[in-house]
This record gives sequence, C-alpha cells and structure tokens, in this order.
Amino acid sequence: GAGVSQTPSNKVTEKGKYVELRCDPISGHTALYWYRQSLGQGPEFLIYFQGTGAADDSGLPNDRFFAVRPEGSVSTLKIQRTERGDSAVYLCASSNRDRGGRNEQFFGPGTRLTVL
Amino acid sequence: AQKITQTQPGMFVQEKEAVTLDCTYDTSDQSYGLFWYKQPSSGEMIFLIYQGSYDEQNATEGRYSLNFQKARKSANLVISASQLGDSAMYFCAMREGPNFGNEKLTFGTGTRLTIIP
Repeated sequence: GAGVSQTPSNKVTEKGKYVELRCDPISGHTALYWYRQSLGQGPEFLIYFQGTGAADDSGLPNDRFFAVRPEGSVSTLKIQRTERGDSAVYLCASSNRDRGGRNEQFFGPGTRLTVL
Repeated sequence: AQKITQTQPGMFVQEKEAVTLDCTYDTSDQSYGLFWYKQPSSGEMIFLIYQGSYDEQNATEGRYSLNFQKARKSANLVISASQLGDSAMYFCAMREGPNFGNEKLTFGTGTRLTIIP
C-alpha cells in the first residue's frame, strides 16, 4: 500500500516569503505528526494531530508556523515570513492509534526547505 | 539534560559482524516507549524496533534486537550479521508517558553506521 507522501520534495524560497508544505498520510491513519530535521540532527517534534484537531502543538517554534488538517487526512504546514534559520527537512509521519502498544510512526520522505 | 543520548557519532563495522549502537535515555515517567529508526541516504525514516517500559523481555525483530537495561536507562540496538545495506544513520527515540495522549517522539542525534565489505 501507499506510504506517507509529501510535496514538494524540495522547496527553495526567499527570506520573507510564505510557504506551504503538504503531507498525505497513510490511508486510515488517524494520527499525523510534523517534525523538523536540521543538518546533522535528529528530527524535532513540531505538532501532532489526532483527527482534525491539533492535540499537541508545543513544538512549533513561533507564531510564524501553523498547521491544519481540515478533513482529518491531508495536512498542510504553513510558514509565514520565512527566515534562513527555517531551512531544514520537514518530515511528516502518521500512525494508527487503534493498534495500541507501540503505535509506531511511519515517516514520509520529507520536504527539503531552503530559505535564501 | 538530554532526553536521548547517542554517544557514537560514527561507526565502521566489517560486513557480517554484529554491531551495537548505544542509546541512553532520561525520563521520570514510569510508562514510556523506546524506538529505533534507520535513515538511509534517501532520507526516509524506517521503523526498526520498539520496546515498552513494562516489557519484560528484550524486543527482537529479525536481525535487530534491543538490549533494554531499565535500571541503567539504556536501550542499545544490536544488529546481527551486518550487511552492506545496513549502512545508514540510526536514531534512538522515546515516547514519554502512556501510549495514548503523549504521542511525540524525542530523538537522539543519531549514529552513522558504515558497513565495510
């Protein structure tokens, strides 16, 4: 079956611009997560959705970052007034909470964002 | 304090040998989960193995096993009979709290494993 997909795979933008990053989770997965991975680091949590609502947005670095999941499936991460420090790989993951136990997260290939 | 510590930035191992990747963690929760992920050069994170804090036996998944020492707060990954395709970054991660309601993973900085033919 299809895994988590993310578009675009690469995004180059200029400082101050607005960007949207899209994530398509695995069909039927109710939980969706966004992480950010800077060069040489492990992923850092940004936000987690259960269904349509953001259950935990404690990792969003500031109010320039916002994410939505209006129908409980596809999610969009939105970054306003981008800064060079926002350059990173943005990873999306989904999981099936009904499974219980480990609830492992399945990751997409990521979107590499470069802010010039 | 770091919640997940991986002290080996890089390792080189001969093909077919076993390798142990170190991971220590820090939490005050009694209920937590530990994960290992593999990240090849393609960038996608691949789930390898999971250990729950209440699991009495060490987890195993094929060639992967997790050496869980709760009192020492360590969760080392053991790969038996390494293969060239094992060359990748390996991340240890933790979910604090019970399975539901505390979903975010905290990752370590990773270990880059290189298998030498």
